[in-house]
Amino acid sequence: GDSVTQMEGPVTLSEEAFLTINCTYTATGYPSLFWYVQYPGEGLQLLLKATKADDKGSNKGFEATYRKETTSFHLEKGSVQVSDSAVYFCALPKGNNAGNMLTFGGGTRLMVKP
Amino acid sequence: KAGVTQTPRYLIKTRGQQVTLSCSPISGHRSVSWYQQTPGQGLQFLFEYFSETQRNKGNFPGRFSGRQFSNSRSEMNVSTLELGDSALYLCASSLAVGDGYTFGSGTRLTVV
Repeated sequence: GDSVTQMEGPVTLSEEAFLTINCTYTATGYPSLFWYVQYPGEGLQLLLKATKADDKGSNKGFEATYRKETTSFHLEKGSVQVSDSAVYFCALPKGNNAGNMLTFGGGTRLMVKP
Repeated sequence: KAGVTQTPRYLIKTRGQQVTLSCSPISGHRSVSWYQQTPGQGLQFLFEYFSETQRNKGNFPGRFSGRQFSNSRSEMNVSTLELGDSALYLCASSLAVGDGYTFGSGTRLTVV
């Protein structure tokens, strides 16, 4: 079945460091891919998405490129801030895209130190 | 534009009781989904409603049920609560397939 695998955290970085959070997926066809972020005590927020192979999603300095050759959708940011400390989830639509169901990765906690 | 509103934010219930959680989606969003989030199992899909019909269902026992009203508001119910039902329950709404979800802040349920 469809699945998403993320690197385990926590990832601890100093402010202004480069961030990469790895995400790989197994799916039938070429579904849309999403990154969500969860700040402490809150629900999930859609961070960025890509709808087809080679698409690059970007938002708030974060980027991720949909790579079908490696079935990956790694999240990157060139210079992290303390305010980026959160849990990040990679996700893809479940099944045959009929309806809105998402399969999530296990989440990666990012901690950014001043 | 108002976001997805979930009530209540926090609940404490006793084993064996039942609970009802409420979700008001973004205006115009007809798809509403529910997820359970726990430290051990992560985010797991419960069910999705569209135009008052359950369109998809996750792998949860029958104690978990839901419904959607004509104004797209949704409720989920858990009967005969167990300690393992303690979790953050997240509701999300969407305008169209593939758009991604907008999530509410969740209801944190503690079963004692």
